[in-house]
Amino acid sequence: QKEVEQDPGPLSVPEGAIVSLNCTYSNSAFQYFMWYRQYSRKGPELLMYTYSSGNKEDGRFTAQVDKSSKYISLFIRDSQPSDSATYLCAMRDGQNFVFGPGTRLSVLP
Amino acid sequence: GAVVSQHPSRVICKSGTSVKIECRSLDFQATTMFWYRQFPKQSLMLMATSNEGSKATYEQGVEKDKFLINHASLTLSTLTVTSAHPEDSSFYICSARVPGGVSYNEQFFGPGTRLTVL
Repeated sequence: QKEVEQDPGPLSVPEGAIVSLNCTYSNSAFQYFMWYRQYSRKGPELLMYTYSSGNKEDGRFTAQVDKSSKYISLFIRDSQPSDSATYLCAMRDGQNFVFGPGTRLSVLP
Repeated sequence: GAVVSQHPSRVICKSGTSVKIECRSLDFQATTMFWYRQFPKQSLMLMATSNEGSKATYEQGVEKDKFLINHASLTLSTLTVTSAHPEDSSFYICSARVPGGVSYNEQFFGPGTRLTVL
């Protein structure tokens, strides 16, 4: 079992849809959880981070962490074509940083 | 947020030559930098962790003699791909960890360097 699993997609949605992106993980020691957005041929950029379980909202983005289920989510409301990118979850415990494989999202106008 | 730059953004070289990629933290001092490799439509693969003033720690399967890492200052790490071959063609991305003092340590990524070996 991989340490972090993420559906690679591609996920295609119409503009304005609510998008749900998810990751599951196996290491219960992970404490910090991040979501990165990566446009084609660019480096990843940090979108959201959360510590331990709970929700965090930033504009159209909401990150959720459920440590009991080892499951994290990123919700994008009112999705826009400019949201089309690959979304990588990442998590860490102490020094180790682990990335999910990424989900490719296409928001169709 | 913290800014990380990479240079060059794109390089094309002949097989057998060496290529150096620079990673700089522009507005903070990074004691730790990371080098990743990413093949098309695949996720980031950590190659090595670079600590200022000490030898880099390489991930399993990464040839330390082929991928030379130097972290000579708190704002600069370099990756040299020695005797590059076509199979080394990839997207190389560095990141820098913002040092402690906050409850999390983020990684901020550079824009990446696309290496093509002919």
